[in-house]
Amino acid sequence: SQTIHQWPATLVQPVGSPLSLECTVEGTSNPNLYWYRQAAGRGLQLLFYSVGIGQISSEVPQNLSASRPQDRQFILSSKKLLLSDSGFYLCAWSDLESGSYGYTFGSGTRLTVV
Amino acid sequence: KQEVTQIPAALSVPEGENLVLNCSFTDSAIYNLQWFRQDPGKGLTSLLLIQSSQREQTSGRLNASLDKSSGRSTLYIAASQPGDSATYLCAVRPPGANSKLTFGKGITLSVRP
Repeated sequence: SQTIHQWPATLVQPVGSPLSLECTVEGTSNPNLYWYRQAAGRGLQLLFYSVGIGQISSEVPQNLSASRPQDRQFILSSKKLLLSDSGFYLCAWSDLESGSYGYTFGSGTRLTVV
Repeated sequence: KQEVTQIPAALSVPEGENLVLNCSFTDSAIYNLQWFRQDPGKGLTSLLLIQSSQREQTSGRLNASLDKSSGRSTLYIAASQPGDSATYLCAVRPPGANSKLTFGKGITLSVRP
């Protein structure tokens, strides 16, 4: 069965520090992968998506970047965090193999920049 | 540009009530529609996925319907329980392997004991 792992669950980082959030998917090949952010009281905002290794598309200009070094690994990074980067970060993958194209989300990372 | 609306933003009902959560979308050219549940501080859990060729999907006490022509979907929850309290989001996906979901802002449901 397919599973998605996202870590850490909670992170408190000072302004100006680097960030690395990791997401891995098991049980599928060549999934589409996504990073979303959910700010308090706001909807889900798509940050990045990837259709293959090394292929990253950015949806909004920002202080963050993403990389996909392996087929089932998706990493969200920042060189220097801003206060505005605080939020709830969710990784997701889309099931293309079955043809359903349904999305499955990870458990999320609560990032607080102080 | 696709827009997904969920009204009301919040709903409070007594336990045992049957309820309907609404979702509307502006562009009927969708590939599928997915309902999610989100508990506070948690990720999204997929509840039901309806393909564009389908009219409804059922899972336990949940039933989701899709009317593409009118741009509407409903999530029906039978015999609501306090454990159903959560935020419910609907999302639509346009055709295309690399297309992306458009989410509504969700309905926060509170079921009172």
